[in-house]
Amino acid sequence: DQQVKQNSPSLSVQEGRISILNCDYTNSMFDYFLWYKKYPAEGPTFLISISSIKDKNEDGRFTVFLNKSAKHLSLHIVPSQPGDSAVYFCAAIAGSGGSNYKLTFGKGTLLTVNP
Amino acid sequence: DAGVTQSPTHLIKTRGQHVTLRCSPISGHKSVSWYQQVLGQGPQFIFQYYEKEERGRGNFPDRFSARQFPNYSSELNVNALLLGDSALYLCASSRQASSYEQYFGPGTRLTVT
Repeated sequence: DQQVKQNSPSLSVQEGRISILNCDYTNSMFDYFLWYKKYPAEGPTFLISISSIKDKNEDGRFTVFLNKSAKHLSLHIVPSQPGDSAVYFCAAIAGSGGSNYKLTFGKGTLLTVNP
Repeated sequence: DAGVTQSPTHLIKTRGQHVTLRCSPISGHKSVSWYQQVLGQGPQFIFQYYEKEERGRGNFPDRFSARQFPNYSSELNVNALLLGDSALYLCASSRQASSYEQYFGPGTRLTVT
């Protein structure tokens, strides 16, 4: 059972426009969410995170929104740049009260930003 | 500061063989986790270690084992390799076992033939 779902395998946007990547989750015990970017032949790079007590976190061009009632989060990239082209993974942790802080990942969304 | 390092970068093994993968965490980080990523999927949790003790294990067979050393580096061992073990093996480090943010190394690409 997929506890973290990224239903769009790919997304293509024009340079300068907004990229919106979506993620849904089913486990109500998740209390922290992270986005990672991954280039081919490299490990995932941490981008931005959000605690379940917040509904928005912003860092430069990247903003993550969390809707707990809908169990949905999204990553907004504005403006999009060709260098943003990569696979983006949504991940979640059920930390509170847990014995380990394992990351549960979605399958990823391939973002292509066209010049 | 150096990030998470992993060795080797690539590895080719034959079915039935054994493999050892190595990871050095970011300086000051005491927790190491291992993940397996197969093509088209997100990384899957294998183990978490903190202060040389196993803190968590994912849904992997007993052929997979790991350990952490006093300098916080870690090894992942896989015995009796199967074709299905071919994957990218990722190591992630964090400051504490209870740290939410984990930082990944470049991974070891294992191919089993």
